[in-house]
Amino acid sequence: DAGVIQSPRHEVTEMGQEVTLRCKPISGHDYLFWYRQTMMRGLELLIYFNNNVPIDDSGMPEDRFSAKMPNASFSTLKIQPSEPRDSAVYFCASSFDRGNQPQHFGDGTRLSIL
Amino acid sequence: AQTVTQSQPEMSVQEAETVTLSCTYDTSESDYYLFWYKQPPSRQMILVIRQEAYKQQNATENRFSVNFQKAAKSFSLKISDSQLGDAAMYFCAYWDFGNEKLTFGTGTRLTIIP
Repeated sequence: DAGVIQSPRHEVTEMGQEVTLRCKPISGHDYLFWYRQTMMRGLELLIYFNNNVPIDDSGMPEDRFSAKMPNASFSTLKIQPSEPRDSAVYFCASSFDRGNQPQHFGDGTRLSIL
Repeated sequence: AQTVTQSQPEMSVQEAETVTLSCTYDTSESDYYLFWYKQPPSRQMILVIRQEAYKQQNATENRFSVNFQKAAKSFSLKISDSQLGDAAMYFCAYWDFGNEKLTFGTGTRLTIIP
């Protein structure tokens, strides 16, 4: 079985540019999560979807961040405009049924904003 | 709000020996789930073990086992016969039906000494 697939694996861009991170969850998983990992704040949940519908976006830091899930097999996290403090590793995860089931993580996208 | 505390930022163990990583959490819920995730240098988050709070029996997965003390709100991970491939960051995580968010601890970096 293919796991959660994220792209790109690394992204380096200049401040002010738009950044789009992509995620393909495991087929059949109803829940999709976006996390951010930094040294200072650890792992933070940004937003999660259930059956393609955003359920809780309280972790999204600012209006510059947006996430969509147009169908069951694809989600994006967009930052516009990007800032140096957005530099982090962004993980996508998916799970079957509710979150009490193990979440399966992708390899993450390391984002560097110069 | 639920909190997860890992009081050991770093641990080291001799190869083939046993090591225990500590985790405590704070919750007023009676039904919840606890997880240990491993993050090797490759960055991927890998589920190690899962414990359901209403099950008194401690979960085990091969060389990995937990000591779940519900009254003390403690959830430690024991790794037996440590191997070089066990070197990683280990994160303890908590989930309940009310919050429906996976809350992570700050992690413990485990080093295996050959």
